[in-house]
Amino acid sequence: AQRVTQPEKLLSVFKGAPVELKCNYSYSGSPELFWYVQYSRQRLQLLLRHISRESIKGFTADLNKGETSFHLKKPFAQEEDSAMYYCALSFPTGGGKLIFGQGTELSVKP
Amino acid sequence: DGGITQSPKYLFRKEGQNVTLSCEQNLNHDAMYWYRQDPGQGLRLIYYSQIVNDFQKGDIAEGYSVSREKKESFPLTVTSAQKNPTAFYLCASTRRGEQFFGPGTRLTVL
Repeated sequence: AQRVTQPEKLLSVFKGAPVELKCNYSYSGSPELFWYVQYSRQRLQLLLRHISRESIKGFTADLNKGETSFHLKKPFAQEEDSAMYYCALSFPTGGGKLIFGQGTELSVKP
Repeated sequence: DGGITQSPKYLFRKEGQNVTLSCEQNLNHDAMYWYRQDPGQGLRLIYYSQIVNDFQKGDIAEGYSVSREKKESFPLTVTSAQKNPTAFYLCASTRRGEQFFGPGTRLTVL
């Protein structure tokens, strides 16, 4: 079965420090991986997806099929990055549904 | 911030009562989804619909029912059979693999 694991419930860093939110998945085929973000009092929204290979708000994520990982990274954290982050997976026969990880709360302290 | 609307924002229900959560979208998306969000568990899929008059069970469909009579609407009924209905419910629709989320409904069973 498909599964997404985010091992950290809470990650706390200081402003300017590097950030890495971990995401591991299990799926034998070719999945599509996403990071969604939920800022306080806002809707859940897409941050980035692996097929676009973009950097959004300074965040990047590389799909590592060998390690089945899709870690989210940012070299210098900002206070406005504080939010709940969810890693998610979709697969070709899934009808578009997403399998979400448990989420990681990122807290960036001044 | 239109696109997908959910109502009401807060809903209180007595045990033994059924309650219906509304989800409407004006994005002309074919597929729609219902997720349940619980602290520490991420988002879990309840039901989804890829086309009008058709829907499929997700991972936690027991105690829930849906209908899809119009493309724009995908209401979710939480029945008295749902053992632990107090949660935050999110509706989404999808286009080109990206899911767009509504603002959510927080259901509390008294």
